[in-house]
Amino acid sequence: ETGVTQSPTHLIKTRGQQVTLRCSSQSGHNTVSWYQQALGQGPQFIFQYYREEENGRGNFPPRFSGLQFPNYSSELNVNALELDDSALYLCASTPDTNSGNTIYFGEGSWLTVV
Amino acid sequence: DQQVKQNSPSLSVQEGRISILNCDYTNSMFDYFLWYKKYPAEGPTFLISISSIKDKNEDGRFTVFLNKSAKHLSLHIVPSQPGDSAVYFCAATNSGNTPLVFGKGTRLSVIA
Repeated sequence: ETGVTQSPTHLIKTRGQQVTLRCSSQSGHNTVSWYQQALGQGPQFIFQYYREEENGRGNFPPRFSGLQFPNYSSELNVNALELDDSALYLCASTPDTNSGNTIYFGEGSWLTVV
Repeated sequence: DQQVKQNSPSLSVQEGRISILNCDYTNSMFDYFLWYKKYPAEGPTFLISISSIKDKNEDGRFTVFLNKSAKHLSLHIVPSQPGDSAVYFCAATNSGNTPLVFGKGTRLSVIA
């Protein structure tokens, strides 16, 4: 039990549509990051938020965007969905007293784009 | 350009024997390395980590070895148990901060 919950667990969208994935992390975890894990790949960093501001971004286009809220919840939004966006999306939270081994992952949201 | 490489997609080991999972990295700025275990339909779970100031870290049946000159680390599991069957990801970072850079994973099957 990591204290990081994600919703929905599975969803199917059509190419061109938009999707919002949600994450709720532990109280006091002010850093949240999102990763995309495609089939047969390791998780790839999308972006990171700290106290509601984006403070790091991986190699993903602007149609991937996010929000972080004061209540330790966050969202990942993807516009103009493409077939290659089909993947497991993982949310990870980190406490303010950060050390590498205290990055907690949620169980992920499986997105299928058809 | 893959900065963290796990060259063995799968590994099969008999119960009770040692499992050795390997990981190579290219970025010399990485100074903290982690292993995560992932079961199907679950998120990655932290297993063990090592800082670049060490060459070995042990936690129960799990030991991670780091060879900085070779930019290589390995995870040893001994004795291996059927419950260890999962996908193992090697990850690296700079100063323990996100983002983590992951390898593609190695699927370990421990056969009873």
